[in-house]
Amino acid sequence: AAGVIQSPRHLIKEKRETATLKCYPIPRHDTVYWYQQGPGQDPQFLISFYEKMQSDKGSIPDRFSAQQFSDYHSELNMSSLELGDSALYFCASSLTNEETQYFGPGTRLLVL
Amino acid sequence: QKEVEQNSGPLSVPEGAIASLNCTYSDRGSQSFFWYRQYSGKSPELIMSIYSNGDKEDGRFTAQLNKASQYVSLLIRDSQPSDSATYLCAAQLMNTGFQKLVFGTGTRLLVSP
Repeated sequence: AAGVIQSPRHLIKEKRETATLKCYPIPRHDTVYWYQQGPGQDPQFLISFYEKMQSDKGSIPDRFSAQQFSDYHSELNMSSLELGDSALYFCASSLTNEETQYFGPGTRLLVL
Repeated sequence: QKEVEQNSGPLSVPEGAIASLNCTYSDRGSQSFFWYRQYSGKSPELIMSIYSNGDKEDGRFTAQLNKASQYVSLLIRDSQPSDSATYLCAAQLMNTGFQKLVFGTGTRLLVSP
């Protein structure tokens, strides 16, 4: 069965640079969630979209923005990167905004 | 205090034994609970979801929910070394609109051959 696709899988950036992470949900899933997982920590919710509209917002820095496009894929844009942004970034998708979430493989971001 | 709490472990069990993982949550109105397995550096993989009080079984896994005690557990029967991973308990809490997952810190399980 098709899973959530994330790209890139690995990303190395310098401080103050920008990064764009992409997420392609499971086919027919209309809800996308972004989570950030620091080393040794549990995943922390950043933001979610349902039917291309922002549906919930968590501990997402103002330097980050995200959107969901007409084909339901989502992009997380990160600017003015800081060392502390180094983490695993997971995208999850669900069939409607009340169903089980399935996680993609993640993007490992390293900020130097 | 975290909204979802787990013992970080590690929980060590011998191969073939039953592993029991526990989780408590603070929001009494919460409805949906999930167990994810996460290998180091990999993404969370859904094992079980549970919504109603009682037990739910799937193969070697049994999830138990007790809403009165605000307690969720996961039993793994016939534990295998390949079960060694971090097990994340997650909930969709009423006070956060039910959508986002709130995770516990995870319990590291070690199954020795």
